[in-house]
Amino acid sequence: EVQLVESGGGLVQPGRSLKLSCLASGFTFSNYGMNWIRQAPGKGLEWVASISSSSSYIYYADTVKGRFTISRDNAKNTLYLQMTSLRSEDTALYYCASPWDWGQGVMVTVSS
Amino acid sequence: DIQMTQSPSSLPASLGDRVTITCRASQDIGNYLRWFQQKPGKSPRLMIYGATNLAAGVPSRFSGSRSGSDYSLTISSLESEDMADYYCLQSKESPFTFGSGTKLEIK
Repeated sequence: EVQLVESGGGLVQPGRSLKLSCLASGFTFSNYGMNWIRQAPGKGLEWVASISSSSSYIYYADTVKGRFTISRDNAKNTLYLQMTSLRSEDTALYYCASPWDWGQGVMVTVSS
Repeated sequence: DIQMTQSPSSLPASLGDRVTITCRASQDIGNYLRWFQQKPGKSPRLMIYGATNLAAGVPSRFSGSRSGSDYSLTISSLESEDMADYYCLQSKESPFTFGSGTKLEIK
């Protein structure tokens, strides 16, 4: 059974940093590109970042470029999202997604 | 950036109805189009990939099609479990973009 389990979310002040993790199991993690997608409360889906299987290709939404960094450790079957200079508009449920499956999401709240 | 214009935003329908949701791409995206279903309080679920391919475990009443830059998700006979939000996603080029969503609800 495929599982994607996000962690690392929480309440953080504007301007601070937070690092999300996503532990994958049930499939060959190192074979697939991975994604972070977020959903603000009551809003639609917003793509955040993607990384190829070997980390050769990395893409970001304009809204997070220069502030967020996606990375992965294939030996640990783990995807990461380092978030810096957080803003109130970054408040959302953050999902880790493979090409076929999504995690349950982790909430990030940016507020003073 | 590629814009995905999704319509309608809300779709009241009756059980047994045939319903269609459409996304129009502002540029060529080939078949790099996916459809997702999201029920309240749940994570999105992949329904269609490559514009026309049914994802594993998805009922055959769902189908995807393409006509030029218009991409459609059709449910042939609506069931109560299909009431949800639906989103399209283009993954042809970064930044990848979602449609604004369609809320499918019982009339």
